[in-house]
Amino acid sequence: AQSVTQLGSHVSVSEGALVLLRCNYSSSVPPYLFWYVQYPNQGLQLLLKYTSAATLVKGINGFEAEFKKSETSFHLTKPSAHMSDAAEYFCAVMGVRGNTPLVFGKGTRLSVIA
Amino acid sequence: DAGVIQSPRHEVTEMGQEVTLRCKPISGHNSLFWYRQTMMRGLELLIYFNNNVPIDDSGMPEDRFSAKMPNASFSTLKIQPSEPRDSAVYFCASRVRGATDTQYFGPGTRLTVL
Repeated sequence: AQSVTQLGSHVSVSEGALVLLRCNYSSSVPPYLFWYVQYPNQGLQLLLKYTSAATLVKGINGFEAEFKKSETSFHLTKPSAHMSDAAEYFCAVMGVRGNTPLVFGKGTRLSVIA
Repeated sequence: DAGVIQSPRHEVTEMGQEVTLRCKPISGHNSLFWYRQTMMRGLELLIYFNNNVPIDDSGMPEDRFSAKMPNASFSTLKIQPSEPRDSAVYFCASRVRGATDTQYFGPGTRLTVL
């Protein structure tokens, strides 16, 4: 069964600093991987997804993630944090068998300090 | 497109009462998912449907929970009787059938059982 582990339940960065949110996956087959963002009192919104094309995936709001098979990782990065990036971020995996639900990590809360 | 619609947005009820949560998926989507989010357990998949048919309900906590999808544009999640430990945010999500398609989330229903 597929699963993801997000390292760090809370990450705090200064405005303008690099954002790095870690996600490692476990899958017996090459997975599809997703990052979602949740702002307070809202549902989850897709940031980006990896579907076995380019290993470096660019998403919305300046975020990107790189699929590294050798490290079973899919870390999320943004070069310069903005106050509006403060939110909860979820990594998710789905097996390529298809049409199965996403399995989510526990989430990482990102705080941005002015 | 209005996105995934959930109602009510907030529900406060007393222990023992029946609670019904409603979801209208995005038109044309044929997979629907119900998730529950709590601080302790994160995002848990409760049940999902493909083409209105329940595929996997192994995440439903107990017999007090039931879900239906009578047609492609409507689903309900019912809790009877409700208990304080059911307090959580319940999300509905929908997706076009296909592994790489984005899963879209509704805004959630915040349930409080007193």
